[in-house]
Amino acid sequence: GENVEQHPSTLSVQEGDSAVIKCTYSDSASNYFPWYKQELGKRPQLIIDIRSNVGEKKDQRIAVTLNKTAKHFSLHITETQPEDSAVYFCAASAVTGGGNKLTFGTGTQLKVEL
Amino acid sequence: NAGVMQNPRHLVRRRGQEARLRCSPMKGHSHVYWYRQLPEEGLKFMVYLQKENIIDESGMPKERFSAEFPKEGPSILRIQQVVRGDSAAYFCASSPTGRLGETQYFGPGTRLLVL
Repeated sequence: GENVEQHPSTLSVQEGDSAVIKCTYSDSASNYFPWYKQELGKRPQLIIDIRSNVGEKKDQRIAVTLNKTAKHFSLHITETQPEDSAVYFCAASAVTGGGNKLTFGTGTQLKVEL
Repeated sequence: NAGVMQNPRHLVRRRGQEARLRCSPMKGHSHVYWYRQLPEEGLKFMVYLQKENIIDESGMPKERFSAEFPKEGPSILRIQQVVRGDSAAYFCASSPTGRLGETQYFGPGTRLLVL
């Protein structure tokens, strides 16, 4: 089955700096890669996603890049703000077994310091 | 338009009891996914259901766990004879049609504590 690895597990940046989180996946048939933000005790919330027919997608301060050949994708947050502090999860949509199940990475705890 | 609803939000059970977790998908969504999140870990897929059908249960433990999504009413994740290792947050998500690459919207989760 699909396996998603995520790095780093923790990331501390100064307010205004950029943050980059990287993920790799194993199933070359995966074609959907969402990123979720989860604040403490809250539900995961989709912040951006990318499909395999696109190499890059941007939404204001957030961008995601996808390299299908290398099977890795990255989340970029620019001009970080304290409210960006949360755990971020990458995921890949696995095609095996039917359906649209998501395989998640282990998460990155992002801390934006003043 | 209400989002995905889950209840209860918190559930405390003693070892050996049963836990029933409920999930009402977003209006118009007929596909439900259950995920488990152990403390300080990522989310792990458990089961994917359509109305009255289990599509993929490859992530469900073989014993004590079952799920259903009846024609009427919420989806239910049932854990029999709970053990301390079942303590986790259980999230459900829903999507409209189950197409590959479709966004899944998550509920607030049920935090199960087994004493």
